[in-house]
Amino acid sequence: EDQVTQSPEALRLQEGESSSLNCSYTVSGLRGLFWYRQDPGKGPEFLFTLYSAGEEKEKERLKATLTKKESFLHITAPKPEDSATYLCAVRTYYTGRRALTFGSGTRLQVQP
Amino acid sequence: DAGVIQSPRHEVTEMGQEVTLRCKPISGHNSLFWYRQTMMRGLELLIYFNNNVPIDDSGMPEDRFSAKMPNASFSTLKIQPSEPRDSAVYFCASSFRENEQFFGPGTRLTVL
Repeated sequence: EDQVTQSPEALRLQEGESSSLNCSYTVSGLRGLFWYRQDPGKGPEFLFTLYSAGEEKEKERLKATLTKKESFLHITAPKPEDSATYLCAVRTYYTGRRALTFGSGTRLQVQP
Repeated sequence: DAGVIQSPRHEVTEMGQEVTLRCKPISGHNSLFWYRQTMMRGLELLIYFNNNVPIDDSGMPEDRFSAKMPNASFSTLKIQPSEPRDSAVYFCASSFRENEQFFGPGTRLTVL
């Protein structure tokens, strides 16, 4: 069974204090690791897709990286508007499904 | 461009009543997913359709839940009879093939 574990559960940063969120996974045949951002009362918003170890994607202050066992979401010099819950999800080959298995998320709070 | 549209946004009903949630996917997307989000279990897949055909309904909790997709632009998720433990936020998402999924704003269901 596919498993996705995110850590920490919650993270509080000061504005400008860079940090990383972790997503570790145990799957059979990864066919994509996805990062989403979710604001309170809204649906998850797509950020990145990573397909192979060594791949990196960047968007503004966010950078996602992937290894064979985990993914990191690096946040550089965060701002209060980066406060949200960040979800990672995997899609695997052997399930034959296009659906995603989600982790429980990291709640990020950035204080001014 | 309009994203995924869900209605209603909020639904409050009494135990035993029928509930119908509606979803309009993004035009051109051929896969549609229904997820449920709770504090305890996070985001869980209920069912997904590919080209209007149900592919995987293994996440549907029990026979009280049913979903249909009569055409490429409309899907429903029905709960009959509803129970308090069905209270959650229900999300619809759509994608084109195996690309990233885009989520709607969700329907917050409260069963009293």
